[in-house]
Amino acid sequence: EIVLTQSPLSLPVTPGEPASISCSSSESLLRSNGRSYLSWYLQKPGQSPQILIYVASNRASGVPDRFSGSGSGTDFTLQISRVEAEDVGVYYCMQGQRTPYTFGQGTKLEIK
Amino acid sequence: EVQLVESGGGLLQPGGSLRLSCAASGFTFSSFWMHWVRQAPGQGPVWVSHIGRDGTYTEYADSVRGRFTISRDNARNTLYLQMNSLRVEDTAVYYCVRDLYGRDDFWGQGNLVTVSS
Repeated sequence: EIVLTQSPLSLPVTPGEPASISCSSSESLLRSNGRSYLSWYLQKPGQSPQILIYVASNRASGVPDRFSGSGSGTDFTLQISRVEAEDVGVYYCMQGQRTPYTFGQGTKLEIK
Repeated sequence: EVQLVESGGGLLQPGGSLRLSCAASGFTFSSFWMHWVRQAPGQGPVWVSHIGRDGTYTEYADSVRGRFTISRDNARNTLYLQMNSLRVEDTAVYYCVRDLYGRDDFWGQGNLVTVSS
């Protein structure tokens, strides 16, 4: 199965500052259509995961534009341009390239 | 408003059976692939199974293949997960998910299944 490795696993951030999370895949997530099937999720405390980014760089409906995704193939990044208090939670990357679909270990973002 | 409401969870002993249901509303259920994803306490999400739009195509994680069966009733807008031969390690919150990893990705609130003697 495809293994996704996230870093860092813990991310303390001052409000208003930027943040970045990396996700590295054990295999390429690039399909013949030129798209990399990597998504980013945020799970806020006590809630279900919610999608932020799909197909590596597409922001999901209703997601603030301070969130952006980049990367292709095996290396991906989620960036938050200015962290807000409501962004706390655990961030997961997930691959939809092939089954079994797999998730990264998670990155816990906390406010300093 | 899109809603996915899971039900059927609970506490049961190893070796037992349970059927989870997921009632969908607010969208055209038959137009989407549907998934079950579970999350053990304090752990990350794990994909369990998916089913195609008309219910003829299914796939499973190795850990549940042969014990779990996913199905859907498009007339009732409902997704199911029949779970047999349950193990302690199946303890988790089970989420019903629409269009996992896609543009229309949406998760239910989750339903807790606890397997314990």
